[in-house]
Amino acid sequence: GAVVSQHPSWVICKSGTSVKIECRSLDFQATTMFWYRQFPKQSLMLMATSNEGSKATYEQGVEKDKFLINHASLTLSTLTVTSAHPEDSSFYICSARANLGRQSTGELFFGEGSRLTVL
Amino acid sequence: AQSVSQHNHHVILSEAASLELGCNYSYGGTVNLFWYVQYPGQHLQLLLKYFSGDPLVKGIKGFEAEFIKSKFSFNLRKPSVQWSDTAEYFCAVNAHQAGTALIFGKGTTLSVSS
Repeated sequence: GAVVSQHPSWVICKSGTSVKIECRSLDFQATTMFWYRQFPKQSLMLMATSNEGSKATYEQGVEKDKFLINHASLTLSTLTVTSAHPEDSSFYICSARANLGRQSTGELFFGEGSRLTVL
Repeated sequence: AQSVSQHNHHVILSEAASLELGCNYSYGGTVNLFWYVQYPGQHLQLLLKYFSGDPLVKGIKGFEAEFIKSKFSFNLRKPSVQWSDTAEYFCAVNAHQAGTALIFGKGTTLSVSS
């Protein structure tokens, strides 16, 4: 099956520093990747849609200058949390949709998630 | 805008009991519907999905869901739960055309006692 890998799975950083999270599709190409944020005991909230070779589309209320998304290749998207603060502590999950020819009608494949703790 | 509502926040069952988790969505067009499961410490896994055709969809691990268009519902069912079904269950929807993100419900925590 399709595999999406995130790295790191767990990161602790000091307030004010920046953290980069990588999302890779290991066995398929993903034109589109999505970044979600999950608070404890809550649902996944869509943060942004990342399209290869173009700017990400952010959901209302998500600061694009704080959550920098880069989708430089068909297998890699990165989320950088800039000047992190304790309220940014959360579980960040990426997902990817395979290109046409493989279940392109809607199924997303999810990464394992990255837990960010900002001290 | 699309939205998904899951009615049960926390469901507690004994093994062998039957399960039904409610899911309603709000969207004016044609949708794809999904149920995902998240076991403790693991990532999301797809249980089943509906794109079109037979509204009764069978998924993995004995789960099934029925799409009732008139009720905008996609309830998840299992005739007899097991302790290993203890997990968080998420209903999700996206617009039928390719390229749109999934919108998730708030999730239902299922606790099964042996």
